[in-house]
Amino acid sequence: EPEVTQTPSHQVTQMGQEVILRCVPISNHLYFYWYRQILGQKVEFLVSFYNNEISEKSEIFDDQFSVERPDGSNFTLKIRSTKLEDSAMYFCASSEQALLGEKLFFGSGTQLSVL
Amino acid sequence: SQQGEEDPQALSIQEGENATMNCSYKTSINNLQWYRQNSGRGLVHLILIRSNEREKHSGRLRVTLDTSKKSSSLLITASRAADTASYFCARTSGTYKYIFGTGTRLKVLA
Repeated sequence: EPEVTQTPSHQVTQMGQEVILRCVPISNHLYFYWYRQILGQKVEFLVSFYNNEISEKSEIFDDQFSVERPDGSNFTLKIRSTKLEDSAMYFCASSEQALLGEKLFFGSGTQLSVL
Repeated sequence: SQQGEEDPQALSIQEGENATMNCSYKTSINNLQWYRQNSGRGLVHLILIRSNEREKHSGRLRVTLDTSKKSSSLLITASRAADTASYFCARTSGTYKYIFGTGTRLKVLA
């Protein structure tokens, strides 16, 4: 069964450093998302991406964050200058069609630890 | 806050019992979905109910939706130890942003 893959599974970085989290969505999916979850608690929306541009973003997704689909398969989240509070599990998700209510397929996440 | 809220936050039951989790939200919705998360893993879609539906079944899962009360419930019948996980509701309301609730941590004791 096709799945969303995320790399790396764990990322440790120093505060102020840049990190890039990588995702390979399911190949025929059109909508891509990043979510994050702090300490196994609530799942927070960061950004949605469609047709090579951001569809929506949350207030968390400030100028330190950016997303890119550099080729036909990868979808990346970049945090330019990490802060301690960016420590979280980051999930990539994708959906097949640009229809409201399409179910999301999630990757297994990247645990980001900012020291 | 637009976020949904699950209730209870944590639930512990014996194997074979039914588990009921509730989700409340504040604004109108197009549909509501339930997801499951095993510890440290990604979320897995369980079931979707549209705003014009009142009840839906899938195997041992039963979901209800009451748009007048802005609430939904997820019932897992005849629970198993393997059902131990966190359960989240997610809703969309006219955008492609899925808003997740805070989750219910279910523990099924063998």
